[in-house]
Amino acid sequence: IQMTQSPSSLSASVGDRVTITCRASQSISIYLNWYQQKRGKAPKLLISTASTLQSGVPSRFSGSGSETDFTLTISSLQPEDFATYYCQQSYSALPLTFGGGTKVEIK
Amino acid sequence: EVQLVESGGGLVQPGGSLRLACAASGFSFSTSYMSWVRQAPGKGLEWVATKKHDGSETYYVDSVKGRFTISRDNAKDSLYLQMNSLRAEDTAVYYCARLYYGDSDYSSFDYWGQGTLVTVSS
Repeated sequence: IQMTQSPSSLSASVGDRVTITCRASQSISIYLNWYQQKRGKAPKLLISTASTLQSGVPSRFSGSGSETDFTLTISSLQPEDFATYYCQQSYSALPLTFGGGTKVEIK
Repeated sequence: EVQLVESGGGLVQPGGSLRLACAASGFSFSTSYMSWVRQAPGKGLEWVATKKHDGSETYYVDSVKGRFTISRDNAKDSLYLQMNSLRAEDTAVYYCARLYYGDSDYSSFDYWGQGTLVTVSS
């Protein structure tokens, strides 16, 4: 299952609302996770099953979608949110696949 | 506190071998699926392999089948990746990660190590 993210990068200002999209090549129900990766660090799980916020993740992050189309929204971008975001499907275990990533940069 | 600590990375020539290790603590390793995920320099994330908690099932991405072997020692809370016949395209940071299975077979990589760099070059 191929995962396609858009855009591949974006520039935004602190306080902006940011939306990242992820499209699956076939229906994956809600078997979709989102990760945040800061430069030089390991990825961090933000959202599982399309919309379930992980413990400790700020409520400005939210996820939605099902079947083939998903979104990650940051309601008010904070300085610590500048990072690369990846979606990942877990519908098919062979193989587990990630999107290509969306780099969120400072405008 | 959950910790996953990888070791064993380094510079190796094409065709060579390397064995990565991951020491786990702070969670129930023996009941967890464990995986390796890699990231080539400047590129995205790629799942490499997964081992079921009891060792009965193993999965690999096609590009490493026949060359890499994932194993685990539950008595030592440790995960391993034996990498043989290494190629330049295997150059990456290799992360050890727990693959958590929730209700209805939903899964996610919820714990990650800091990664270990493998460079395949002559």
